[in-house]
Amino acid sequence: DVKVTQSSRYLVKRTGEKVFLECVQDMDHENMFWYRQDPGLGLRLIYFSYDVKMKEKGDIPEGYSVSREKKERFSLILESASTNQTSMYLCASRTIAGGGYTQYFGPGTRLTVL
Amino acid sequence: KQEVTQIPAALSVPEGENLVLNCSFTDSAIYNLQWFRQDPGKGLTSLLLIQSSQREQTSGRLNASLDKSSGRSTLYIAASQPGDSATYLCAVDNNNDMRFGAGTRLTVKP
Repeated sequence: DVKVTQSSRYLVKRTGEKVFLECVQDMDHENMFWYRQDPGLGLRLIYFSYDVKMKEKGDIPEGYSVSREKKERFSLILESASTNQTSMYLCASRTIAGGGYTQYFGPGTRLTVL
Repeated sequence: KQEVTQIPAALSVPEGENLVLNCSFTDSAIYNLQWFRQDPGKGLTSLLLIQSSQREQTSGRLNASLDKSSGRSTLYIAASQPGDSATYLCAVDNNNDMRFGAGTRLTVKP
């Protein structure tokens, strides 16, 4: 089974702090994604990476950056956390080999910024 | 820009009923459509993926259909159980641009 893990289930940070959210997948997937999920707004794509060191902005990249130095790890960075970044953050990965395309999600990190 | 709509937003049924969840999308040039289940406070679990060339996929009591020309997909759940209670989301993939519906919150009452 594909396993996608996220570093924390719950996180509380202060306004202005630099926050790192880590995501690791164990299936050698090429593509990795970061979403945030908010009531009434659904899932929105922040960034995705189609390979190591490659990244593309999603719909809402402002205030975020990402890093993918190794294939299995995709990090989301909040440069200076703000209260409007309080949300559920979901990481996903998929392979495009063999025409699969199924996205596999991690358990999520619920971030609260005070 | 692709828009994905799910109707109804919430559904409550007695145990044992068969039910249908609906998903519609505005741009028919899709690569695939995926149905997910999400339990409260958890991540998404993939249920079924339908490639653009396929009409349906089945897994156990679940059957998903796809009609690209009309921009619709349905998720059919047979003989519903209380354990099926969750939010069901559909997602449409337009070549690395994945758009999610807002979900249907399903409650199956014992």
